[in-house]
Amino acid sequence: GNSVTQMEGPVTLSEEAFLTINCTYTATGYPSLFWYVQYPGEGLQLLLKATKADDKGSNKGFEATYRKETTSFHLEKGSVQVSDSAVYFCAPVPEGGKLIFGQGTELSVKP
Amino acid sequence: NAGVTQTPKFQVLKTGQSMTLQCAQDMNHEYMSWYRQDPGMGLRLIHYSVGAGITDQGEVPNGYNVSRSTTEDFPLRLLSAAPSQTSVYFCASRPGTSGGPNTGELFFGEGSRLTVL
Repeated sequence: GNSVTQMEGPVTLSEEAFLTINCTYTATGYPSLFWYVQYPGEGLQLLLKATKADDKGSNKGFEATYRKETTSFHLEKGSVQVSDSAVYFCAPVPEGGKLIFGQGTELSVKP
Repeated sequence: NAGVTQTPKFQVLKTGQSMTLQCAQDMNHEYMSWYRQDPGMGLRLIHYSVGAGITDQGEVPNGYNVSRSTTEDFPLRLLSAAPSQTSVYFCASRPGTSGGPNTGELFFGEGSRLTVL
């Protein structure tokens, strides 16, 4: 069946450190891939997306590349800020199927 | 810009009580859904609707009812609350229904935190 595996948290980094949050998935066909972010006390909001192989989604300094050969969509940021502290969810959407959320990775950035 | 509005934000119930979580969106979205968020389990789909008068079950529908009498509103009813329903509930919507029940960007409400004693 369709599933997604995210890097476990919590992840604690110092400001300006490099961030990688791993995400791998299993899905039929060619899914669209999403990263959502949940700031404290808020609902989820779309961070970035990619709809086909080798596409790179980017927003707010975050990037993720759709790697079909490794079925991965790792989230990266070169220099994190305290304001990036949040929970990040990887979410593949299989063709014609339901959006699947990963379990979420909590990121805490210290000054 | 109201977006997706959920009420109440917090609620405490006793086992066996019933209640309704309200969800309204002002974006004319056809698709609406309810998720629950529990520690270490991500978001799990409870029920969804692809348009007024149409609802369907998600991954964890037991103990919950929904209806969709208008495009704007999608209430979630707990008929007899149980401690296992203690969770944070999110309503989400998106435009259109093409490609299946769950494609494209979802717009989320701020959540409703429910505690069942």
